[in-house]
Amino acid sequence: DAGVIQSPRHEVTEMGQEVTLRCKPISGHDYLFWYRQTMMRGLELLIYFNNNVPIDDSGMPEDRFSAKMPNASFSTLKIQPSEPRDSAVYFCASRQDIGGPQHFGDGTRLSIL
Amino acid sequence: AQKVTQAQTEISVVEKEDVTLDCVYETRDTTYYLFWYKQPPSGELVFLIRRNSFDEQNEISGRYSWNFQKSTSSFNFTITASQVVDSAVYFCALSRGDYKLSFGAGTTVTVRA
Repeated sequence: DAGVIQSPRHEVTEMGQEVTLRCKPISGHDYLFWYRQTMMRGLELLIYFNNNVPIDDSGMPEDRFSAKMPNASFSTLKIQPSEPRDSAVYFCASRQDIGGPQHFGDGTRLSIL
Repeated sequence: AQKVTQAQTEISVVEKEDVTLDCVYETRDTTYYLFWYKQPPSGELVFLIRRNSFDEQNEISGRYSWNFQKSTSSFNFTITASQVVDSAVYFCALSRGDYKLSFGAGTTVTVRA
């Protein structure tokens, strides 16, 4: 079975550019999560969706960040404009039901120069 | 509030030694779920095990075993006869089921040949 698929795996771009990260959850999973991992702050939940609807975006750091889930098989996390402090590994995860484990994608390593 | 504490930042062992990773959690909920994840040097997050608060049975899977004790709010993880491939960061996490996974800071395990 295919796991959570994220693209790109690596992204290097200059400050001020728009960055779009993509995620395809596991088929049949109703919950989708976006996380950011840094050395300083560890794993932080940015936003999560249930049945394509954003439920809690309190972890989104600021208005430069936005996330969408237009359908059950696709989500994007967008940063515009990007800043060097956004450099991190961004993970997408999906879960089938409440209490179940979250399954993570391989992550996108983002570097903003 | 939920909190997960992994007091051991780093553990270094020689191959074939046993390794025990400590995890202590805090929650006011009576129903909750505990997880362990592995993050190898390649960076992906791999789900290892889930335990719910009503199931205190210990579990063994190959060289991995988990000891859940509600009385001490602990969910410890032991790797028996460690191997170099076990080198990774291991995260303990807690969820009350609705959505949010609270991660510990992680324990870096280095297994030397």
